[in-house]
Amino acid sequence: GDSVTQMEGPVTLSEEAFLTINCTYTATGYPSLFWYVQYPGEGLQLLLKATKADDKGSNKGFEATYRKETTSFHLEKGSVQVSDSAVYFCALSSGNTGKLIFGQGTTLQVKP
Amino acid sequence: NAGVTQTPKFQVLKTGQSMTLQCAQDMNHNSMYWYRQDPGMGLRLIYYSASEGTTDKGEVPNGYNVSRLNKREFSLRLESAAPSQTSVYFCASSELAGEGAKNIQYFGAGTRLSVL
Repeated sequence: GDSVTQMEGPVTLSEEAFLTINCTYTATGYPSLFWYVQYPGEGLQLLLKATKADDKGSNKGFEATYRKETTSFHLEKGSVQVSDSAVYFCALSSGNTGKLIFGQGTTLQVKP
Repeated sequence: NAGVTQTPKFQVLKTGQSMTLQCAQDMNHNSMYWYRQDPGMGLRLIYYSASEGTTDKGEVPNGYNVSRLNKREFSLRLESAAPSQTSVYFCASSELAGEGAKNIQYFGAGTRLSVL
């Protein structure tokens, strides 16, 4: 079945450091790919998305490119801030049910 | 804009007790979902409703039932709670199932449930 694998956390960075969170997927067909973010005590909210190969999703300085050849959707940010501290989830949606399949989440802690 | 509203925010139950988690969305979305979040396991789908009047099992449906009361509301019921159901429960909604670009799911703030 379809699945998503994320790099294990927690990831601890200093402010202004470069961030990469790896995400790879297994899916039949051509899934849409998402990154969701969960701030402490809150629900998940969409960070960015890509719906076809080579698409780049971007938002709030974060970027991820849909790589079909490597089945990856890595999240990057050039300079993280303390306010980026959160849990990040990679997810895919395939088929016609609208269901999302999530990775296990990666906790990011940014220190001043 | 309220978005997706879940009640209650916190709940403590004893083993064997029953309860219903409520979820309502005001975005006129067709599809609604219930997930549970456990440490190190991401979110797992319990049940979903692709449209009003339909419900389907997700990855972990055992021990749960759902009702799509109307287009706005989708409730999750635990008939006889067990300690293994201690978790954080999230409700979500989306405009349209099956369309990748439109299947952006919007989440509620969650219900933290402890079963003793």
